[in-house]
Amino acid sequence: NAGVTQTPKFQVLKTGQSMTLQCAQDMNHEYMSWYRQDPGMGLRLIHYSVGAGITDQGEVPNGYNVSRSTTEDFPLRLLSAAPSQTSVYFCASSYSIGVPSSSYNSPLHFGNGTRLTVT
Amino acid sequence: QKEVEQDPGPLSVPEGAIVSLNCTYSNSAFQYFMWYRQYSRKGPELLMYTYSSGNKEDGRFTAQVDKSSKYISLFIRDSQPSDSATYLCAMVNTNAGKSTFGDGTTLTVKP
Repeated sequence: NAGVTQTPKFQVLKTGQSMTLQCAQDMNHEYMSWYRQDPGMGLRLIHYSVGAGITDQGEVPNGYNVSRSTTEDFPLRLLSAAPSQTSVYFCASSYSIGVPSSSYNSPLHFGNGTRLTVT
Repeated sequence: QKEVEQDPGPLSVPEGAIVSLNCTYSNSAFQYFMWYRQYSRKGPELLMYTYSSGNKEDGRFTAQVDKSSKYISLFIRDSQPSDSATYLCAMVNTNAGKSTFGDGTTLTVKP
C-alpha cells in the first residue's frame, strides 16, 4: 500500500504558467481533497470530492480547478499561476462510510505535499 | 473569527515533561475531534480521534474533549525528542462533510 502519492514534490513556476499537481490513492477511498498550507494560516481546503464525477469548492477555490474521473486520482490544476499561490499543497483522502452524499466521519490520510513556488 | 483557534506556541520543553496542547471552537455542529502530528516536510498523520466528551488514552497521549466548553486538549506524558513536531487539531462537521483545522502548535522536546 503506497497510501496517498503526490507528484511532483517540488515545482517552480513563473507567473501566468499553468500546471497540474497529481494525487493518487490506492486505498479505495471515496473522499479526496486538496489543502494548501501557509505559515500562520494552517490548512485551508481548496476543493474536495465525495466520489468519482462529484467535486465541490472548499474555502479557497479561486485559481484552481479539479476533476475526479476515477476513484484513485484527483488532480489539481492551476490555470494561471500567481505569486499568491506559492504554498505547500497537500492531497488527502478518507474512507466515507455509506453513499457519497452521506456524512463524512473518518480521518484523513495525507500525502507528503508539493512545494510550489511562483515567481 | 476563526471557527477553530489553536494555542499558537511554539513550545519548547525538556525531555520527560508533560505537554498540553489546546484548541477552542465556536461551531456547535462539530461532532468529531482529531489531532494530527506533522513532522517537518511531511504530511500530517492522524494521532488521536474521538467523537464524545471525555478522555481517550493511547499510550503516552491523552485526548480530552469538553463539548460544553467547546474545548479540546492533547496531553503528552513523558515527552520524547521524537515528539518534536507540529500538532494540528481538526474538527469535523459531518453535515458539511469537511474538516476544519487549527493553525498548529510547534513542539520541540529537548534532550
